Amino acid sequence: GNSVTQMEGPVTLSEEAFLTINCTYTATGYPSLFWYVQYPGEGLQLLLKATKADDKGSNKGFEATYRKETTSFHLEKGSVQVSDSAVYFCALPSGGYNKLIFGAGTRLAVHP
Amino acid sequence: NAGVMQNPRHLVRRRGQEARLRCSPMKGHSHVYWYRQLPEEGLKFMVYLQKENIIDESGMPKERFSAEFPKEGPSILRIQQVVRGDSAAYFCASSPTSINQPQHFGDGTRLSIL
Repeated sequence: GNSVTQMEGPVTLSEEAFLTINCTYTATGYPSLFWYVQYPGEGLQLLLKATKADDKGSNKGFEATYRKETTSFHLEKGSVQVSDSAVYFCALPSGGYNKLIFGAGTRLAVHP
Repeated sequence: NAGVMQNPRHLVRRRGQEARLRCSPMKGHSHVYWYRQLPEEGLKFMVYLQKENIIDESGMPKERFSAEFPKEGPSILRIQQVVRGDSAAYFCASSPTSINQPQHFGDGTRLSIL
């Protein structure tokens, strides 16, 4: 079945630093790919998505490009803020429908 | 437009008791998913339901756990005879269709077993 591997955290950055969180996947076919963010004590919020190869999803300054050649969907942001501190999950559907498979999550801590 | 509503937000049970977790999907969404998140881990799929039907329960333990999504009312995740290992955050998500659509998550129910 489909699977996703995400870089381990925690990632600690200073404000305005560049962020990369790596995500690679194995999948049958070309499913949509998602990044979700979880703030402390809350549920998951969809951050961005890409539905086909070479698509770039973007939201709130975050970007990720669906790379079929490298089976990757790395999350990037040019200048992080303290408010970006959260846990980030890479995910893709499996099982022929919408059952989501999540990476282990990467905790990001941004300091002033 | 209300999002996915889960209640209670926090639930404390003693070992051997029953836990009932409720989830009301977003308006217009007929597909409901339950996930479990253990401390410091990612979410693990438990069960996928449509109205009155369980489509996939491959992630749900065979004993003590059950789920339903009746024609009227919220989806219910029921855990009988809870044990310490059931302590986790349980998240519900919903989507309008079943294929390649983003899921919208509730804020979860944090279950603690004494």
